[in-house]
Amino acid sequence: GAVVSQHPSRVICKSGTSVKIECRSLDFQATTMFWYRQFPKKSLMLMATSNEGSKATYEQGVEKDKFLINHASLTLSTLTVTSAHPEDSSFYICSARAGIFRGRDEYEQYFGPGTRLTVT
Amino acid sequence: AQSVAQPEDQVNVAEGNPLTVKCTYSVSGNPYLFWYVQYPNRGLQFLLKYITGDNLVKGSYGFEAEFNKSQTSFHLKKPSALVSDSALYFCAVRDIKGKLIFGQGTELSVKP
Repeated sequence: GAVVSQHPSRVICKSGTSVKIECRSLDFQATTMFWYRQFPKKSLMLMATSNEGSKATYEQGVEKDKFLINHASLTLSTLTVTSAHPEDSSFYICSARAGIFRGRDEYEQYFGPGTRLTVT
Repeated sequence: AQSVAQPEDQVNVAEGNPLTVKCTYSVSGNPYLFWYVQYPNRGLQFLLKYITGDNLVKGSYGFEAEFNKSQTSFHLKKPSALVSDSALYFCAVRDIKGKLIFGQGTELSVKP
């Protein structure tokens, strides 16, 4: 099956610092990656959609200058939380969509294991 | 707009009993429906999906779901629950742009 990894799995940072989270598709090329945020025992909130080689599309209410997304290659997308604040503490999950490269359901999303961010 | 609803925040079941986790949807056009499971501090694991074809869809770990067009429902079921099935379950629908729209989640608790 398709494997998506995230690094780090958990991170603690101080207020005002920036932290980068990586999302990698390990055995397929992902034309599109999605970033979600999840609060405890709550649903996933889509933050943004990133397509390889182009700017990310952010959902309404998500600050694009605060949550920087880069999708520089077909296997890697990064989410950088800039000037982090305690309210940014959350569980961040990425997913990847194979698109036409996968040869099957081109819209199927494969999810990473998530990154727990704690801002102190 | 596409949406899904999971009317129960929590479902409690005794081990060995059948379980049902409810999901209703609202879509324009043909629905693409999914069920995912999430264990604590983990990402989502795919259980099953309905795209077209048989209304009864079989998935991973003995789960199945029944697509009911007249009731706009896609309930998740399992004939005999295990304690290890305790987790957070999400129903989702794919919108016309390929994004997944998730329900609010249902916490399943299976007691021995």
